[in-house]
Amino acid sequence: ELKVEQNPLFLSMQEGKNYTIYCNYSTTSDRLYWYRQDPGKSLESLFVLLSNGAVKQEGRLMASLDTKARLSTLHITAAVHDLSATYFCAVGPRGGYSTLTFGKGTMLLVSP
Amino acid sequence: NAGVTQTPKFRVLKTGQSMTLLCAQDMNHEYMYWYRQDPGMGLRLIHYSVGEGTTAKGEVPDGYNVSRLKKQNFLLGLESAAPSQTSVYFCASLTSGPTRDTQYFGPGTRLTVL
Repeated sequence: ELKVEQNPLFLSMQEGKNYTIYCNYSTTSDRLYWYRQDPGKSLESLFVLLSNGAVKQEGRLMASLDTKARLSTLHITAAVHDLSATYFCAVGPRGGYSTLTFGKGTMLLVSP
Repeated sequence: NAGVTQTPKFRVLKTGQSMTLLCAQDMNHEYMYWYRQDPGMGLRLIHYSVGEGTTAKGEVPDGYNVSRLKKQNFLLGLESAAPSQTSVYFCASLTSGPTRDTQYFGPGTRLTVL
């Protein structure tokens, strides 16, 4: 059974600071996704990581994947208030029909 | 192009009542999914479909039934609602072709069972 663990589950940080969210998963997979969810809203796709060593960046967010360690990171650089949201990682099985297993989410609060 | 839509947006049921949630997508996607989201639990897969006329169980299928009679629609039914089914329900869809990469989510249905 695939298990996905995120940490931390809650992160309060000041604007301008850097931080990293971690996503560990328990079995071999070739697809890892990062989503953002604003309160009361749906999920917005941020990154899709499909191979070992993959790194993707969008603005102040950068995601990376290490399939050997079964670890993905979401790095936040110089945080701003607009990044406040809940971030989920999700892992898909190798092959199959893209059924995703989600982590519990990291609630990020960026304050001035 | 509306993407993934869900009907209704909100609903309150009494224990034992039944209802159907409708998910529709206009992207001609083969795969469709129903998830539930509970506080502190992330999203959990209820049922999914890999094509018209096919359905399969996910992680938490008990108490739910689904149907995919048309490619663009995926219905989630609760035959006898229970308070434990109070949740936010999200539908998602995905293409099955070589560009398959990310699931597109609907806006969600907030269901309360009293």
